[in-house]
Formats: sequence, structure tokens, C-alpha cells
Amino acid sequence: TQLLEQSPQFLSIQEGENLTVYCNSSSVFSSLQWYRQEPGEGPVLLVTVVTGGEVKKLKRLTFQFGDARKDSSLHITAAQPGDTGLYLCALPLTGSGGSNYKLTFGKGTLLTVNP
Amino acid sequence: DSGVTQTPKHLITATGQRVTLRCSPRSGDLSVYWYQQSLDQGLQFLIQYYNGEERAKGNILERFSAQQFPDLHSELNLSSLELGDSALYFCASSVGVAAYEQYFGPGTRLTVT
Repeated sequence: TQLLEQSPQFLSIQEGENLTVYCNSSSVFSSLQWYRQEPGEGPVLLVTVVTGGEVKKLKRLTFQFGDARKDSSLHITAAQPGDTGLYLCALPLTGSGGSNYKLTFGKGTLLTVNP
Repeated sequence: DSGVTQTPKHLITATGQRVTLRCSPRSGDLSVYWYQQSLDQGLQFLIQYYNGEERAKGNILERFSAQQFPDLHSELNLSSLELGDSALYFCASSVGVAAYEQYFGPGTRLTVT
């Protein structure tokens, strides 16, 4: 059972369009992170959301944490080819050592923005 | 550039063999994490080291082991390789043991034939 479900799995759009991708869980989480992974590279942290209902903006990207802290969304306005990549949500979880933060990832949304 | 380096970039080997993947964390980071990324399982946490000591374990197979050296670089050893071990292996680092802002390296693509 996947702790984090991301949708859609694949998304192909034209430059200039808007899009939203989702990250959902049946569990409540204290915080959630969004990463972008470009081909041939490692994931890069975009944002961490902590408070239920929180909205964070990063240029054309808007991240929202659900009020119940069980879901999150990423909205991209006027997508550009440079936005192409795999968008991953991740939960920082306490590891077996107690205070350690291992990351549990969703399987991601593969976004392609065509020029 | 995250500041985390991994070598080699690509590795092709045969079933039954053993390989070693190397990671150098960002300057000043004491924690190193290893992850495996495959098409069916996604990105999965394997193991964490902090200042030379193992601190957390994930879904790491018994055929896999890791260590962190006094200079803080880390190695992931994969033995008795199987076709299903083909994947991208990422190393990440963070400042402290409980820091959840992790910086990922570019990965090593392992192909087992």
C-alpha cells in the first residue's frame, strides 16, 4: 500500500496552459514536501508545507496543504517547457532511530510541457 | 548543482557480481542517505548514516550494505546482483541527524545484465 498517492501519473500539456497535480494520503501528516526531478538528475526540494490550509507560492508554482493535512496540490500557471520533469511529493518520517527524518515519496507525476 | 557528488554516473555489470557506489556529501553535512529509484517502486529510502554511524534503515536488502567513513563520504555496496537491482541509486545529505532538508546527488544508474 502506497502511503502517498499522486495523480495524474502522466500529464502532457502545451506551453502556456495551467495545470494542477495532486498528492493524497489516508493518513494525517505533520508536513509535506514537493520535489522536482529533471531527467538525469536527482530530486530538488521545491517547498515544505507545514500548516493545514497553508498556501505557498514560488514564482508560477502554487502549493497548497489541505485543511485536514491529508492532501496537497501543486498548481502551475502558464507552464513552460522548463517545467518539464517528475514532480514528487514526500513525507518526512521519523525513522527507527527516533528523531531521524527519512523521506517517503509518492511515485510522482511526470509532466511534459510541449513548446 | 546540489554539492553532493556521486560516482560512477553509470555502471553496467552482470548478475551475481558486486559493485560499490560512492557518495560525497555537501561540505559541512554530516548525514548521508541512500535511495533507490525504479519504475515500479518509485523512490525508496534505503539507509541513513550520521557522522559515521547508522541511524535509520528502510527497505534495504541483506545483500546491500553501506558505510560512512571518517571523511564523511559514504559507500553503498551491492552484492549477488540480480536483474531486479537495476535502478537509479541516489545519495542525499543534510546538515544534522534530524534535518529534513535533504540535498540529492545526480545518481548512479546501475544496469544488471
